Amino acid sequence: EPEVTQTPSHQVTQMGQEVILRCVPISNHLYFYWYRQILGQKVEFLVSFYNNEISEKSEIFDDQFSVERPDGSNFTLKIRSTKLEDSAMYFCASSGGTGRAEAFFGQGTRLTVV
Amino acid sequence: GQQVMQIPQYQHVQEGEDFTTYCNSSTTLSNIQWYKQRPGGHPVFLIQLVKSGEVKKQKRLTFQFGEAKKNSSLHITATQTTDVGTYFCAGHRYGQNFVFGPGTRLSVLP
Repeated sequence: EPEVTQTPSHQVTQMGQEVILRCVPISNHLYFYWYRQILGQKVEFLVSFYNNEISEKSEIFDDQFSVERPDGSNFTLKIRSTKLEDSAMYFCASSGGTGRAEAFFGQGTRLTVV
Repeated sequence: GQQVMQIPQYQHVQEGEDFTTYCNSSTTLSNIQWYKQRPGGHPVFLIQLVKSGEVKKQKRLTFQFGEAKKNSSLHITATQTTDVGTYFCAGHRYGQNFVFGPGTRLSVLP
């Protein structure tokens, strides 16, 4: 069964450093998403990406964040100048269509900022 | 902005008891999706509801979409320990991405 894969599974970084979280969406999917889940809390939408550009972003997704699809398979989330409160599980998801299609989530990357 | 709420936040049941979680949106939705997240896992899609008043069943799970398309419920009959996890609804509005509710964490005591 096709799946979304994320690397690394766990990333520890020092405050102020930059991190790049990587995702390989399902190959024939067109819409890509990043979500964040702080431990024990709800899943929060960060950004959606379609046709090589951001289609929607939440207020969480400020200038500290950026996304990129550097090639035909990878989808990355870059977090600059990390803060302690960026510690969370980051989920990548992809879907074949916007909103009306189920999203397939990756296993997540646990980011710990120390 | 759009808000999606869920109640209860936590539910502890004895194995064999029924369980229901309710999802309410501040705005009318075009569709709603339900996900289950096992402890330490990632959200897994369960079902999507599109039509007003729609009811769908998956074995012991019954999903309902309200007539006004602003609320939804998930009911589990005769819970099992495998039902443990957090159940999220995710509401979608036309032209926007879906917003997750805070989830209901279900624990099932054997």
